[in-house]
Amino acid sequence: KAGVTQTPRYLIKTRGQQVTLSCSPISGHRSVSWYQQTPGQGLQFLFEYFSETQRNKGNFPGRFSGRQFSNSRSEMNVSTLELGDSALYLCASSYLDRQDYGYTFGSGTRLTVV
Amino acid sequence: AQKITQTQPGMFVQEKEAVTLDCTYDTSDQSYGLFWYKQPSSGEMIFLIYQGSYDEQNATEGRYSLNFQKARKSANLVISASQLGDSAMYFCAMREGQLWTGNQFYFGTGTSLTVIP
Repeated sequence: KAGVTQTPRYLIKTRGQQVTLSCSPISGHRSVSWYQQTPGQGLQFLFEYFSETQRNKGNFPGRFSGRQFSNSRSEMNVSTLELGDSALYLCASSYLDRQDYGYTFGSGTRLTVV
Repeated sequence: AQKITQTQPGMFVQEKEAVTLDCTYDTSDQSYGLFWYKQPSSGEMIFLIYQGSYDEQNATEGRYSLNFQKARKSANLVISASQLGDSAMYFCAMREGQLWTGNQFYFGTGTSLTVIP
């Protein structure tokens, strides 16, 4: 069974640019969440999508946005990149009928903003 | 206030010994789930164990067990018979409420575990 696939694995962007990250969840998982991980702030929740609808959003500026497609694949977009956006971005997918399942995480996209 | 607190930034344990990683949580919800994840240097988060707020028995998964003390709001992870491959960051996490209302996790800052041969 394929895991959660995130592309690209590594990305280097210049301040002011925008970036799109992609996530393909495990087949059958309809909930997709995104997290930002930095040494200083740890793991912070960005947003969660279910059935193409954003159900929850973390405390991030509007430059961070996302969407989910009908096949549950999700994309995350960051516009007007800042140096502080350098982080590991983790996508996680889940069932919504098993409380004990938690998430399956992807390997992440490591974004470096220069 | 922090939802999840892990007070041990780093821990060392001798191979084959047991180790306890501490986690306390803060919530006013009656229904919640507690999770532990392992993150090796490769970066991927690996699910280890789950404890539901209504579960009366402590969860166990192989060498991992969760010492759940609801009144003290603690959910410590116990790893028995440590192995070199257990060296990693360990994160405690909580999901409040029920899945149909949202699937947002709150993570602690993590504990870096090093297993010494």
